[in-house]
Amino acid sequence: GESVGLHLPTLSVQEGDNSIINCAYSNSASDYFIWYKQESGKGPQFIIDIRSNMDKRQGQRVTVLLNKTVKHLSLQIAATQPGDSAVYFCAENIFGNEKLTFGTGTRLTIIP
Amino acid sequence: NAGVMQNPRHLVRRRGQEARLRCSPMKGHSHVYWYRQLPEEGLKFMVYLQKENIIDESGMPKERFSAEFPKEGPSILRIQQVVRGDSAAYFCASSPGGARTDTQYFGPGTRLTVL
Repeated sequence: GESVGLHLPTLSVQEGDNSIINCAYSNSASDYFIWYKQESGKGPQFIIDIRSNMDKRQGQRVTVLLNKTVKHLSLQIAATQPGDSAVYFCAENIFGNEKLTFGTGTRLTIIP
Repeated sequence: NAGVMQNPRHLVRRRGQEARLRCSPMKGHSHVYWYRQLPEEGLKFMVYLQKENIIDESGMPKERFSAEFPKEGPSILRIQQVVRGDSAAYFCASSPGGARTDTQYFGPGTRLTVL
């Protein structure tokens, strides 16, 4: 079936290093993608989004890359900090449908 | 500017009881979404509402679950005759509405435990 999934369930990164979190999607109709960060006991927090007519979008210390050819999405976090430790979800939105479809998440741990 | 508010934050119910979860969207937002999250899993869409209207309830179980977003007051997710499988975190999100790519902002969630 159609789904949004992640390659790695856990990722540990040294503080100060860059991290890359990957996400694969299978629905070619998906045209809007969002990354959310969820800390323990809290709701998902919007990080960055990208539309399918773009390949790359940058925010503060974060970059999202979209490769439509292989249906792959990644989130790059530069100069990681302890506060970046959280579970990161990618979500997709399909044209004509308001609901978000979430992947299972990647737990990012920043090692001091 | 207050974000999305949900209450209660934690709710304990015994099997067969009713659970009522409330969500107040961000100021100026007219679209509300409910999602359910099981431990170590992603969020699953349940229902999408606008004021006084259910737009998409494709993710809502056919029985025992209902949602509303009245003209005045918060959105309510109601679960009747709860069972242990209903134990989960329930998140509400809101968006301004009008554009399909409006960002959905999430509340802190209600963690439901069914004994």
